[in-house]
Amino acid sequence: AQSVAQPEDQVNVAEGNPLTVKCTYSVSGNPYLFWYVQYPNRGLQFLLKYITGDNLVKGSYGFEAEFNKSQTSFHLKKPSALVSDSALYFCAVIPVLRGSQGNLIFGKGTKLSVKP
Amino acid sequence: DTGVSQNPRHKITKRGQNVTFRCDPISEHNRLYWYRQTLGQGPEFLTYFQNEAQLEKSRLLSDRFSAERPKGSFSTLEIQRTEQGDSAMYLCASSSHLRTVIYEQYFGPGTRLTVT
Repeated sequence: AQSVAQPEDQVNVAEGNPLTVKCTYSVSGNPYLFWYVQYPNRGLQFLLKYITGDNLVKGSYGFEAEFNKSQTSFHLKKPSALVSDSALYFCAVIPVLRGSQGNLIFGKGTKLSVKP
Repeated sequence: DTGVSQNPRHKITKRGQNVTFRCDPISEHNRLYWYRQTLGQGPEFLTYFQNEAQLEKSRLLSDRFSAERPKGSFSTLEIQRTEQGDSAMYLCASSSHLRTVIYEQYFGPGTRLTVT
């Protein structure tokens, strides 16, 4: 079965410190990888994606993610966290298979809490 | 605002009643997806349309659920004879889709359904 794992339910970081939100995946073929953020009472917002090319991709709000094929991981990172980054973060994949519908397969989400 | 919109934002209904939700995608997007999200979980794929054609339905979509996209623009999701287990956030997303290009999906704010 194709799946995405976010091993941490919650990540706590002090403002100004670097943050990492972990994601690993198990899919057939070469996946397309995404990160989304969800603020309370708001829809999911796209942060960044990896399709091909450079393993380090940069996205919105200073976030970046590193694709590691051998470890099947796509961890989200930011060099210096802000209190306003506190939200729920979702990793998602689209398996690249013949017949793939293009629908996203999501992880359970990781709550990021940044304290002043 | 030219993003994805969903109506209503909240719906409370009694068990056994029928409900219908509407999604208006970004106008130039040819793909429209429906997902369901329950508390503490990531969104799960329900169904998707390419233009007006419904191309795939998840096995999560029981016979009580039906979706339409009559003119390839807005879409409706109807749930007949609602059950308490249908209580969830229903998310709509849209994207462009070309044969060899995967674009990110843009999500609406969701419709929160509560079945009493």
